[in-house]
Amino acid sequence: AQSVTQPDIHITVSEGASLELRCNYSYGATPYLFWYVQSPGQGLQLLLKYFSGDTLVQGIKGFEAEFKRSQSSFNLRKPSVHWSDAAEYFCAVGGAYGNKLVFGAGTILRVKS
Amino acid sequence: EAGVAQSPRYKIIEKRQSVAFWCNPISGHATLYWYQQILGQGPKLLIQFQNNGVVDDSQLPKDRFSAERLKGVDSTLKIQPAKLEDSAVYLCASSLDGGQGQETQYFGPGTRLLVL
Repeated sequence: AQSVTQPDIHITVSEGASLELRCNYSYGATPYLFWYVQSPGQGLQLLLKYFSGDTLVQGIKGFEAEFKRSQSSFNLRKPSVHWSDAAEYFCAVGGAYGNKLVFGAGTILRVKS
Repeated sequence: EAGVAQSPRYKIIEKRQSVAFWCNPISGHATLYWYQQILGQGPKLLIQFQNNGVVDDSQLPKDRFSAERLKGVDSTLKIQPAKLEDSAVYLCASSLDGGQGQETQYFGPGTRLLVL
């Protein structure tokens, strides 16, 4: 069965500092991987996705993520965090067919000025 | 382009009462999803429709939850009777086709349900 682990429940970074959010997945075949962001009272917005090709994917708002098959990881990074990035971030894994997504429990990002 | 619409945004009910949520997906999207997001957890898929047929309802508690998607467009999710543990945000999402795993799911703002 698919599963996603986000080890960090909360992360606090200073504005302008770099960010890395961790995601580990379990999936029996080639995974399709996603990062979503959820601001308070809002739905989820897709940041980026990986399903094939270059293992470093670029997303919106300056985010990127790297797929590492050997480590079953898909960590999200941003070189310089802005206060508006404060939100909850979800990693998700899906398969090739049917589009069913399994989400991690999320990481809440706080940005201090 | 209009996004996924959901109503109501908030609902408070007593346990054992019934409640219904409504979702209007993005125009032209064949696939519609209902997720349950309990506080502190990620969204969990309850049911997936492709057009007006059910693709996956394996995690839908069918003794109290029901969902329909008439005419392959709008959808309603109903809970009857509600339990305290049903307190959650109910998210609706849609995607263009749903047959391919790399498709993007677009989410609505959710309905926050509190069962007292």
